[in-house]
Amino acid sequence: DIQMTQSPSSLSASVGDRVTIACRASQSISMSLNWYQQKPGKAPKLLIYAASTLQSGVPSRFSGTGSGTDFTLTISSLQPEDFATYHCQQSYTTPRFGPGTKVDIK
Amino acid sequence: QVQLQESGPGLVKPSQTLSLTCTVSGGSISGAIYYWSWIRQHPGKGLEWIGYIYHSGSTYYNPSLKSRVTISVDTSKNQFSLKLSPVTAADTAVYYCARYGGNDNRFDPWGQGTLVTVSS
Repeated sequence: DIQMTQSPSSLSASVGDRVTIACRASQSISMSLNWYQQKPGKAPKLLIYAASTLQSGVPSRFSGTGSGTDFTLTISSLQPEDFATYHCQQSYTTPRFGPGTKVDIK
Repeated sequence: QVQLQESGPGLVKPSQTLSLTCTVSGGSISGAIYYWSWIRQHPGKGLEWIGYIYHSGSTYYNPSLKSRVTISVDTSKNQFSLKLSPVTAADTAVYYCARYGGNDNRFDPWGQGTLVTVSS
């Protein structure tokens, strides 16, 4: 059973900051890693799939890198609408999500 | 585009059965490369995959819930359903349905979610 971890669990940042969120799998998952954004009271929204492919309509300030066990979601310049919780999810085997990273306003 | 909508009771008594339905619009549930999924989120917690079903009826469940979960599909109504039994207060959560698959397996789109509270 593949376990997913994320770090940090939360972070405070300002508009315009570069933000990086890490996701780690307990074993290699190749590039089978997706990222979702979730705002309070809303369903998650797909941001990035296959580790680095931006979902249609997602702003280019979001990017994903990584393969194997270590992955990163980067927001190059944080915007007000980006304050949310971010979840990673492995699709190498039956789906499992990371615990989430909450990004809030400093 | 494809949209999903959950429906069902918002309050269930302990030891009873939680039943939810997801209605798919804007596309056929019989699409060849998708699995129709249920995911839940306990209050203030992360996302937990419950299981999914292929249009043929093949199912895959989270091992931690497998003994209590049944997912079924009704292609004539373009719906799929979740039953969880028996429930306890620990099953209180927001339940989401979502489409899973494509060339790179991913959950997209999602329903808006429905809160189910287990309480007497």
